[in-house]
Amino acid sequence: QKEVEQNSGPLSVPEGAIASLNCTYSDRVSQSFFWYRQYSGKSPELIMSIYSNGDKEDGRFTAQLNKASQYVSLLIRDSQPSDSATYLCAAGGSQGNLIFGKGTKLSVKP
Amino acid sequence: KAGVTQTPRYLIKTRGQQVTLSCSPISGHRSVSWYQQTPGQGLQFLFEYFSETQRNKGNFPGRFSGRQFSNSRSEMNVSTLELGDSALYLCASSLAQANTGELFFGEGSRLTVL
Repeated sequence: QKEVEQNSGPLSVPEGAIASLNCTYSDRVSQSFFWYRQYSGKSPELIMSIYSNGDKEDGRFTAQLNKASQYVSLLIRDSQPSDSATYLCAAGGSQGNLIFGKGTKLSVKP
Repeated sequence: KAGVTQTPRYLIKTRGQQVTLSCSPISGHRSVSWYQQTPGQGLQFLFEYFSETQRNKGNFPGRFSGRQFSNSRSEMNVSTLELGDSALYLCASSLAQANTGELFFGEGSRLTVL
């Protein structure tokens, strides 16, 4: 199993819907998890971090961490066309680096 | 506050050549990480430097090397270029060690190897 895995998508949702992005991880990563957003032709930017089991909300974004099942998810409520991007899940590596999944491409249709 | 600056933004090389890429981190950031991004493999960790010392290294061949200067600016070098080295090379700076997750990325250097 890869250290951080994501469904590459694309995931297509209508405007105003909830977009759900998922990520699973292996035992080889630490317990720090992050979601980055990367617009086409741009570099990744951090949007959420989560360290404890449960939910963490920031505006329209909610990160969820379930350590027992080893998955992290990102929910985007009231999705907007401007949310169309690739979302990268990342976890702290055992060597001190940050390990990224391959990303899920989200398309929000007007 | 200036962001992370990478130069050059685009470059084309031929197989067998070498290339040097430069990264200037955000002022005050002492950690610089390098990643290779390709459509097939996503973001893959190359190495991380902190206070001029390489702290971590990913699973790349020895043709990939880097260094960090006393002003925290970093360079990475790829020797004997191969077609498979064509990628976007991203540099990211952070205040603390990279696995804290708060990385600030530059716009990248897009390398094409012909």
